[in-house]
Amino acid sequence: QVQLVQSGAEVKKPGASVKVSCKASGYSFTNYGISWVRQAPGQGPEWMGWISAYNGNTNFAQKFQDRVTLTTDTSTDTAYMELGNLRSDDTAVFYCAIDTIAGADEALDYWGQGTLVTVSS
Amino acid sequence: DIQMTQSPSSLSASVGDRVTITCRASQSISSYLNWYQQKPGKAPKLLIYTASSLQSGVPSRFSGSGSGTDFTLTISSLQPEDFATYYCQQSYRTPYGFGPGTKVDIK
Repeated sequence: QVQLVQSGAEVKKPGASVKVSCKASGYSFTNYGISWVRQAPGQGPEWMGWISAYNGNTNFAQKFQDRVTLTTDTSTDTAYMELGNLRSDDTAVFYCAIDTIAGADEALDYWGQGTLVTVSS
Repeated sequence: DIQMTQSPSSLSASVGDRVTITCRASQSISSYLNWYQQKPGKAPKLLIYTASSLQSGVPSRFSGSGSGTDFTLTISSLQPEDFATYYCQQSYRTPYGFGPGTKVDIK
């Protein structure tokens, strides 16, 4: 069965970077891209970007483009999201997710469990 | 960016009620609209994709309709496990924005 398992909670100081991992199993990793979604406390989800696990192509929401790096490691079937220059309003749960439904791009049908990143001085 | 709005922002309903949630896009998104359910502390769960297709394993009391800019999620007979927050998401153009959510709670 498809599983996305994310790394544990992080506490970071303003200005620092955080790197969240998302280990995939139960499917051929390079078949689907990985999307990353941020959800601040009490807010709706916010799409951050996407990376192809096949060729590394990326697509970002403009508001994150300058601060986020998405990578994949096909040797370990793991995707990574690194967010730099953290601010207090980056405090959120970060999710990785994939869409496996043919003809329904970005209908995210499998999600990781989420990683809480707290930014505090 | 395409802006997504939802109404109402919250509603109170009883078990067995028919519930309708509306989502509106700031421009036409054809049928590229998905609906998710989220419970506290959990990841969103896909319910409906491309406006009206029921995701595998989702009960048939959930249905979606609409195209262009106006969309609807309907729960035909609300069950205790349906009390949650519901989000729409457009998948027409990046960034694939979500709506602000509709919280469904117990009357």
